[in-house]
Amino acid sequence: KQEVTQIPAALSVPEGENLVLNCSFTDSAIYNLQWFRQDPGKGLTSLLLIQSSQREQTSGRLNASLDKSSGRSTLYIAASQPGDSATYLCAVRQLQGAQKLVFGQGTRLTINP
Amino acid sequence: DVKVTQSSRYLVKRTGEKVFLECVQDMDHENMFWYRQDPGLGLRLIYFSYDVKMKEKGDIPEGYSVSREKKERFSLILESASTNQTSMYLCASSLWGGYTEAFFGQGTRLTVV
Repeated sequence: KQEVTQIPAALSVPEGENLVLNCSFTDSAIYNLQWFRQDPGKGLTSLLLIQSSQREQTSGRLNASLDKSSGRSTLYIAASQPGDSATYLCAVRQLQGAQKLVFGQGTRLTINP
Repeated sequence: DVKVTQSSRYLVKRTGEKVFLECVQDMDHENMFWYRQDPGLGLRLIYFSYDVKMKEKGDIPEGYSVSREKKERFSLILESASTNQTSMYLCASSLWGGYTEAFFGQGTRLTVV
């Protein structure tokens, strides 16, 4: 059974720092991995999608990498801002099991002004 | 922009009531999903549909049913609401095939009293 783990569970950093969020998964038989952002009490906003054949994807200050063989992904946030404060979730899309997304528990990020 | 719209942001229902949560997407997506999100448990898949009138059970289908009469609409039904179904419910959609991005609605916070 696929398990997705995100470390750390919470992170607090001063504004302007570059930071890395980690995601690991146990079964490498995936279509892709997707990073989401969730603000308190809201739905999920898609940030980046990396296909299993890709190594990284970039969008603005965000860069996501994928090492499928080792079951790891990282989300790099450059020059963090208070508006980046949110919970970040990673999810893998399995080859088996109705194409469902399996989620990690998330990392709650706080950027201090 | 892809839009996934859930009919209510907040709902309060009584124990034993039949509850309908509605989700509509405007991008002609084949796949639609219902998840629930609870602190410490993360997002868990309740049901999944890949076509009109087609459905598959997710990880926690007990106490729920679904309906997909039209491609754009996917309803989650709580046959007899119980307090342990108090949760955040999230609807998602994607194109058929595992290589595509999933999009989420804004969530429905359901409280059963």
